[in-house]
Amino acid sequence: GQNIDQPTEMTATEGAIVQINCTYQTSGFNGLFWYQQHAGEAPTFLSYNVLDGLEEKGRFSSFLSRSKGYSYLLLKELQMKDSASYLCAAMDSNYQLIWGAGTKLIIKP
Amino acid sequence: ETGVTQTPRHLVMGMTNKKSLKCEQHLGHNAMYWYKQSAKKPLELMFVYNFKEQTENNSVPSRFSPECPNSSHLFLHLHTLQPEDSALYLCASSQDVREIKGTDTQYFGPGTRLTVL
Repeated sequence: GQNIDQPTEMTATEGAIVQINCTYQTSGFNGLFWYQQHAGEAPTFLSYNVLDGLEEKGRFSSFLSRSKGYSYLLLKELQMKDSASYLCAAMDSNYQLIWGAGTKLIIKP
Repeated sequence: ETGVTQTPRHLVMGMTNKKSLKCEQHLGHNAMYWYKQSAKKPLELMFVYNFKEQTENNSVPSRFSPECPNSSHLFLHLHTLQPEDSALYLCASSQDVREIKGTDTQYFGPGTRLTVL
């Protein structure tokens, strides 16, 4: 079956670095997405990886290893506004997004 | 401003009621999606429309009925729902179902929080 695993909740300190891991199993693979969702709001797109390696975009970076079925989202210089849920989703061969349950990130001062 | 709007934002209904959720996208996209989001569960894809044609129905009960009159509008008609249908219903749009690239991804509306009593 198709499956996405990510931690349910993580806590980090303002100004620090946090890494949110995601493992996936899909029928075929057309890329790995990360979305951010603040409470009561729409998910918003953060990153997309389809090739192995690290993609950096400001304070956020995303990594992919296709052979290991593994990705992570790295958040640097954490700010209070980064408190949100982070959703990992893999696209299968039918172009369907298979979603994880999300990781709730709590930032403490 | 996400470019995808949903109304109403909150809805409380009884099990015998009939109601409709509305989604509108102002992005010129051709694909639209309905998702169900329950607490601590993955997003569940319900329906997909591409160029107004339904391309996906993920074994959704018939008490949920989608309608896509044009590429900009999507409705979800609800009737005789169950309490377990209480959830956040998200609408999303993308340029095309089969052409997802790094920046050409799904844009979500803010959702309708549905409570079934």
